[in-house]
Amino acid sequence: GDSVTQMEGPVTLSEEAFLTINCTYTATGYPSLFWYVQYPGEGLQLLLKATKADDKGSNKGFEATYRKETTSFHLEKGSVQVSDSAVYFCALSVSGTYKYIFGTGTRLKVLA
Amino acid sequence: ETGVTQTPRHLVMGMTNKKSLKCEQHLGHNAMYWYKQSAKKPLELMFVYNFKEQTENNSVPSRFSPECPNSSHLFLHLHTLQPEDSALYLCASSQVQDLRNIQYFGAGTRLSVL
Repeated sequence: GDSVTQMEGPVTLSEEAFLTINCTYTATGYPSLFWYVQYPGEGLQLLLKATKADDKGSNKGFEATYRKETTSFHLEKGSVQVSDSAVYFCALSVSGTYKYIFGTGTRLKVLA
Repeated sequence: ETGVTQTPRHLVMGMTNKKSLKCEQHLGHNAMYWYKQSAKKPLELMFVYNFKEQTENNSVPSRFSPECPNSSHLFLHLHTLQPEDSALYLCASSQVQDLRNIQYFGAGTRLSVL
């Protein structure tokens, strides 16, 4: 069945460091891919999305490219801030349905 | 403000209690979802309502009973819960006709079962 695999956290970085959070997926058909972020005490917020191969989603300095050949959607940011500390979830939308499959989440902690 | 409001934000209940979680969306969407978020586990989809009709029930125990009186409101009725049901319960909504299928989440209800 469809699945999403994220790198395990926690990830701890110093402010202004480069961030990569790996995400790979298995899916039939042509899923849409998403990154959601969950700040402490809050629900999930859509961070960025990509709906087809080679699309690049971007928002707030974060980027991810839909790579069909490697079935990946890695999240990157060039310079993290303390305010980026949160849990990041990779998800796919099952092709032809409104169902999401989520990864387990990766906790990011950024130190000043 | 995401357009999806959940109440209460926190709930503590005993195993013999009956309580309800409420979700309201102000986005004009026609699909609503209940998820369970437990520590170190992926989000678990519990129920899906599409145009007020339940279209998915992921083998959820009957002590969880959803209700969707209209496309803007979703409830989760709880009775005789177990301690392992303690979790963050998230509601989401989306527009079914939107091929991108973006789901918008509420802030969740943190449930503790004693």
